[in-house]
Amino acid sequence: NAGVTQTPKFRVLKTGQSMTLLCAQDMNHEYMYWYRQDPGMGLRLIHYSVGEGTTAKGEVPDGYNVSRLKKQNFLLGLESAAPSQTSVYFCASRQPSTDTQYFGPGTRLTVL
Amino acid sequence: GENVEQHPSTLSVQEGDSAVIKCTYSDSASNYFPWYKQELGKGPQLIIDIRSNVGEKKDQRIAVTLNKTAKHFSLHITETQPEDSAVYFCAAIEGGYSSASKIIFGSGTRLSIRP
Repeated sequence: NAGVTQTPKFRVLKTGQSMTLLCAQDMNHEYMYWYRQDPGMGLRLIHYSVGEGTTAKGEVPDGYNVSRLKKQNFLLGLESAAPSQTSVYFCASRQPSTDTQYFGPGTRLTVL
Repeated sequence: GENVEQHPSTLSVQEGDSAVIKCTYSDSASNYFPWYKQELGKGPQLIIDIRSNVGEKKDQRIAVTLNKTAKHFSLHITETQPEDSAVYFCAAIEGGYSSASKIIFGSGTRLSIRP
């Protein structure tokens, strides 16, 4: 099992550009999450999904959109990137019957 | 909503000594408290957790204690080793452990083990 994988690992964008981050998990987990990690602020939940075709807002959803068209994939989109979105983004997944979230390796995004 | 505060933000201990990281939470409905370890360039990894019906849990050199009344929980690492150097995050589940939604994380503690 690869666990949770994220694509790409690094990306540099210019203000106003758009991009999509891909999260994939091969553990057949129902729940998936997107977090951002900023220095001194821990991890903050952006959006999450409790199953294929469902999404919900987390703590800091503004400026982001998500889609869960397939159970194994959770996409995070930035329509018009801003410097405030410079961060490290982590995806996670888990099963409803357990509490352990499995995290991906992260995507480091810089917006100039 | 839930708010988790974590202290200290940085901690340096001599190899072999103990390290303690403390967290407080605000939502009395939270009942699941995991601790994550994050090594450089990697995602967080669960190292130990505790539920609100338990006061203490141990796993080899790692232990977690919970004081529900005071809304405090702590991570204790004994006989520290160089490989313990990492950033540690405490967290609380808002709305109970069966909730699909929000794990609220503390701001993290960077632990350094001095040889």
